[in-house]
Formats: sequence, structure tokens, C-alpha cells
Amino acid sequence: GAVVSQHPSWVICKSGTSVKIECRSLDFQATTMFWYRQFPKQSLMLMATSNEGSKATYEQGVEKDKFLINHASLTLSTLTVTSAHPEDSSFYICSARLGGRGNQPQHFGDGTRLSIL
Amino acid sequence: DAKTTQPTSMDCAEGRAANLPCNHSTISGNEYVYWYRQIHSQGPQYIIHGLKNNETNEMASLIITEDRKSSTLILPHATLRDTAVYYCIVILPYSGGYQKVTFGTGTKLQVIP
Repeated sequence: GAVVSQHPSWVICKSGTSVKIECRSLDFQATTMFWYRQFPKQSLMLMATSNEGSKATYEQGVEKDKFLINHASLTLSTLTVTSAHPEDSSFYICSARLGGRGNQPQHFGDGTRLSIL
Repeated sequence: DAKTTQPTSMDCAEGRAANLPCNHSTISGNEYVYWYRQIHSQGPQYIIHGLKNNETNEMASLIITEDRKSSTLILPHATLRDTAVYYCIVILPYSGGYQKVTFGTGTKLQVIP
């Protein structure tokens, strides 16, 4: 089946550091990728939708300058958490859609657990 | 997208069928019903999706009522590895650009030995 790889799986860093998370579709081309955030014991919250070659669409309340998204190819999207602070600590998950228009499902990566000290 | 309502938690005996309900009474005619599950500390796993006909794959069956206002995910023979949070979501077909996806709180299924 469709495989989405996310790297790193976990990261611990100091406050003020910028952290980059990669999301790759391994066996298919993904025109659209999605970034989610999940706090403990809560559901997934969509942060942004990323289309290859264009600017990401951010959900209300998500700071564009804080969470930089780049989707430069059909198999790679990156999320950079800039100047991270303890409140940015969370589980970040990406997903990718197989194909273009239609009802193909999203396939998710295994997530990145980010801890800011 | 329409919202969904699911029970907070359910238990199921190992080897028995697990039937997970979902209400989506405001679903529109062209919205699909998708089911995902999330095992602790992992990303969600796609299970199945459908529009109005019942669907079956190697993981599960999806039963959608005729009025499409509710659906049931059936795991025919639950195992301990099926313990997870199960999410039912409804989504419009992707038409380019932006797609809104809203995850609810899901159902925490506990499979009991």
C-alpha cells in the first residue's frame, strides 16, 4: 500500500531552535500533503494543506511565519518550526494523498514527537 | 464538511466482531465516509471508505445506511492489535487546491483477551 515516511520520529531541542520535519511519499506522487498537530489525549488538528509548487493554505490560528511549509517536489514536503518554544511541543503528523482529484484517501506518516526544553 | 458523532469508548472480546457506529446526519450527497485508526503514538492508519454502497476490504467492512446519516465499521474478528482510537470522518472528493479534513474525538476501542 501507499507509504508515507516522516523524519525524524522524535526530536528534543532547546528553546529558540528551529526544527525541520520531512514528509516523503515513498511509492507514489503526492500533489497534496497535509500537516497535523496532536496534543496529548486530543484529536488531530489540521494545521495546513500543502500543494506541490504553491504556497500552503494554513488553518485559522496557525501562524504562517512560525510553521514554514515547503512542498518543492511531488514526493517531499517539509515543516519547519521556527524559534520553537515549549508550547510548540507536540506530535506532528503529515499525510499525503495518492493521485489528483477524487476520493483517494490520505495516508499518514508515523509522526514526529517534538519536545522543546 | 459534515461533523460526525462517535461513542467515546467501546470494549470488544478478542475474536468477536467489533461494530463501531458513527453518526453523520448532516452529510451532503457527495461526501464520502472514511475510517481511520490510530494506535498509540503512531500516525493514523487508513482502513476503508465509501459513498453509499457497503464496502469490504481485507481489514474491515463498512455499512452505510440507506439515508447515509450513519455508518458502522465492522472488524470481523477483533484481535488485541486492533486496540486503537477509531476515527470516522466525512470528506468531499478532492477537487484541487484545498481540502478541509476535520477529525473528531473518535472511539477508543479496547479489545479484551
